[in-house]
Amino acid sequence: GAVVSQHPSWVICKSGTSVKIECRSLDFQATTMFWYRQFPKQSLMLMATSNEGSKATYEQGVEKDKFLINHASLTLSTLTVTSAHPEDSSFYICSARGLDTQYFGPGTRLTVL
Amino acid sequence: AQTVTQSQPEMSVQEAETVTLSCTYDTSESDYYLFWYKQPPSRQMILVIRQEAYKQQNATENRFSVNFQKAAKSFSLKISDSQLGDAAMYFCAYRSPGTASKLTFGTGTRLQVTL
Repeated sequence: GAVVSQHPSWVICKSGTSVKIECRSLDFQATTMFWYRQFPKQSLMLMATSNEGSKATYEQGVEKDKFLINHASLTLSTLTVTSAHPEDSSFYICSARGLDTQYFGPGTRLTVL
Repeated sequence: AQTVTQSQPEMSVQEAETVTLSCTYDTSESDYYLFWYKQPPSRQMILVIRQEAYKQQNATENRFSVNFQKAAKSFSLKISDSQLGDAAMYFCAYRSPGTASKLTFGTGTRLQVTL
């Protein structure tokens, strides 16, 4: 199947700093990418949908100024958590749409101290 | 809005046996896609199987098959000859057609595989 990479796989940062997570579709072009957040033992919660070259669409309750999404090319989307706080600690997963199927990255575990 | 329901929080199966995971959904659309994703302890979401609603034939991928009942809005996953590596969270998901449509996930079923 199609491959989606995500980097870094884990990151620890100090409160108040910003963290950037990259998501790449390695063997296909993805016009649409998605960012999810997953809490322990729960399902995935969609944060935003991004289309190449346009602004991301955020789900209700997700702060767009805090979670900056850039989808600069058909193979790369980035999520920047700005001024991170301990409550932002979570597992973040990106996903890329290839034809009719979504493929997922391996996730990034963010810990904010 | 579409909803997806997985009524079995946990299931257990013995190695080499068969297990069926349930999924129901609610929609007013006639055309859509259904998926089963597996999330092992590594937390990598892996596509197990997909079904297009317009296809009457049930999808099959090796040991994995679905029972798609469109009228009943049911989409169960059958795992045959269960293996230890099948132990994971399984999520059922629904998606409308269209490039901008989103996946709607169920709450997941944790599958344990015992010796």
